[in-house]
Amino acid sequence: ETGVTQTPRHLVMGMTNKKSLKCEQHLGHNAMYWYKQSAKKPLELMFVYSLEERVENNSVPSRFSPECPNSSHLFLHLHTLQPEDSALYLCASSLTDILLSPKGLDNEQFFGPGTRLTVL
Amino acid sequence: SQQGEEDPQALSIQEGENATMNCSYKTSINNLQWYRQNSGRGLVHLILIRSNEREKHSGRLRVTLDTSKKSSSLLITASRAADTASYFCATDGDSNYQLIWGAGTKLIIKP
Repeated sequence: ETGVTQTPRHLVMGMTNKKSLKCEQHLGHNAMYWYKQSAKKPLELMFVYSLEERVENNSVPSRFSPECPNSSHLFLHLHTLQPEDSALYLCASSLTDILLSPKGLDNEQFFGPGTRLTVL
Repeated sequence: SQQGEEDPQALSIQEGENATMNCSYKTSINNLQWYRQNSGRGLVHLILIRSNEREKHSGRLRVTLDTSKKSSSLLITASRAADTASYFCATDGDSNYQLIWGAGTKLIIKP
């Protein structure tokens, strides 16, 4: 887990709060991801960045706002969340150069420990 | 859409026994991966098997892939209490970065 770190590990916020989740990868990877994991549901891909450029916004509500200032850091800014947004938010990275790599290459993803978010 | 579906949803066995989990998928793939997740933590990549491979080993892990049946299995031999976790399969999706995940198998190893 030391390759990808996430802070905070736990977050409790009210619906009117603004908070940010932070992810940092120390692996020299080119791609970074935000996932949402809710109980008994498959992982939901939220956003994908390749070398600081967003390549996927998977129909995520605008109350979630990602930011990728460089290839090692990824943020998820949260505002006016709903109780149903409570979940484990996972950051991941992969070596894949999304913009140049063809489909079919191995895309092993390395995950951080996650932020357990509770929205009251 | 959900591609991989793990079976069973939950599995409880005695320490020392072998654990087998299965994954089925719907469309053609280039590769399939297995991940482990300890309770409330991030996922850890275990093994990747390509569509032209039938079997792969890593320590106590054995993965098989049957592309004709669109299925894969993960075998953990001589299970240990530390193997207690959820196990997920993921297949490559329509793009070169997308993984399609199943809902996972929750494995409990009883001491």
